[in-house]
This record gives sequence, C-alpha cells and structure tokens, in this order.
Amino acid sequence: QVQLQQSGAELVKPGSSVKISCKASGYTFTSYDMHWIKQQPGNGLEWIGWIYPGNGNTEYNQKFNGKATLTADKSSSTAYMQLSSLTSEDSAVYFCARPRASGWWYFDFWGPGTMVTVSS
Amino acid sequence: DIQMTQSPASLSASLEEIVTITCQASQDIGNWLSWYQQKPGKSPQLLIYGATSLADGVPSRFSGSRSDTQYSLKISRLQVEDIGIYHCLQVYSAPLTFGSGTKLEIK
Repeated sequence: QVQLQQSGAELVKPGSSVKISCKASGYTFTSYDMHWIKQQPGNGLEWIGWIYPGNGNTEYNQKFNGKATLTADKSSSTAYMQLSSLTSEDSAVYFCARPRASGWWYFDFWGPGTMVTVSS
Repeated sequence: DIQMTQSPASLSASLEEIVTITCQASQDIGNWLSWYQQKPGKSPQLLIYGATSLADGVPSRFSGSRSDTQYSLKISRLQVEDIGIYHCLQVYSAPLTFGSGTKLEIK
C-alpha cells in the first residue's frame, strides 16, 4: 500500500536552513508527482509546489520561490524540501502529498507532516 | 492566482443535522475542485474530487455539488466522527489554492 513517511520535527534558528524528507513506498516513485503543502498553526493550507521524480521537473508557487527547493532521490524513493533563510513565518507543519494520477491533482495520499519550529 | 472564498469559518451543528459548506471561486474552474477533511493532529483526507465524485471509502452522507463558480459540500446526517476542519482546493491551475477552512463542531 502507498505510504509516505516524513522526517521528524525540527527546531531551527532564524536565518538557517532545514531539509525535510518524504520517503515513499508501495508504488513506482518516478511515476507520480510529489507535492508539498504548508500549514501554519491555526491557519489554512498553502500549496508550495511539486516535483516529478521521473525527470526532476518542478513547479513552485511563486510565493515560495527562493524559499523552498524541491529535490528527489530516485535511488531511495525520497523527496526532499529545503527551506532557506528561515523566519518565524516559516514555523509550520509541512506535508508531502501524492496525487491519484500524475497531473491529476487530487491528493489521495498524504504524509503525516513535519513540524518546523523557527526559534532562537 | 485563483481565490477560493470558503464559508462559514466555523459551524456548530447537531447530530443528524444537514450541514453545508461552500467555496466560491474567483473565476471559472470547471469541476476542478476537491474537498478534504482534516481531523485534529492529522493530515487532510480526500472526500470529494471533480466537484461531485466521492473518494474511495468515504461515507455516502458526504456529497459535493456545483453551481457556476460556487461549490458546496453537504453532510446529509452529521455524525460525531465528522468533526474536524474542511478545506476546499482548486486544482484548475497553479498555484493550487485552498479555501480558508471550515471548523465543524458538534452542538
């Protein structure tokens, strides 16, 4: 069965970077986009962007250009998101999510989320 | 960017009551809309896709409808396990955009 396993919670300092992971199993990793979604405490959801592990293509929400960098490692079926120049506004839970079909963006599968806390 | 205006922000209803949540799109998105349920401390779960299609395993008391650029999620007979936050998401064009969420509680 499809599973998305995310890395653990991170406590990081302002101005630093963090890289969180999403390890996929139960399907062909290179055949589906992987999306990333942000949820700040008490707030709604924001779409960050997607990566297609098959060829490394990416698309970002312009709001996250320069903030988030999406990569994927085919050998380990793991997607990564690096967040840079962290501020308190980046404190949030970050989800990875896989759509039911590549390019058909209804998200049947979600990771449990990774909480990132930015604090000095 | 396409704006999704979701209402109400919160809702308290009695068991067995009919509940309706709406999302208004700022432009035509066709049927490219989905609804998600998020329980406390959990990731969202797909309820409805294509505006009206029920996702696998979702109880039939959930339904989705569309009228022009207004989309609705209806719960026909509210159950205790339905409490949580409901989100709409347009997938017509990037950036994908969510509604602001509706927190559903039992009265």
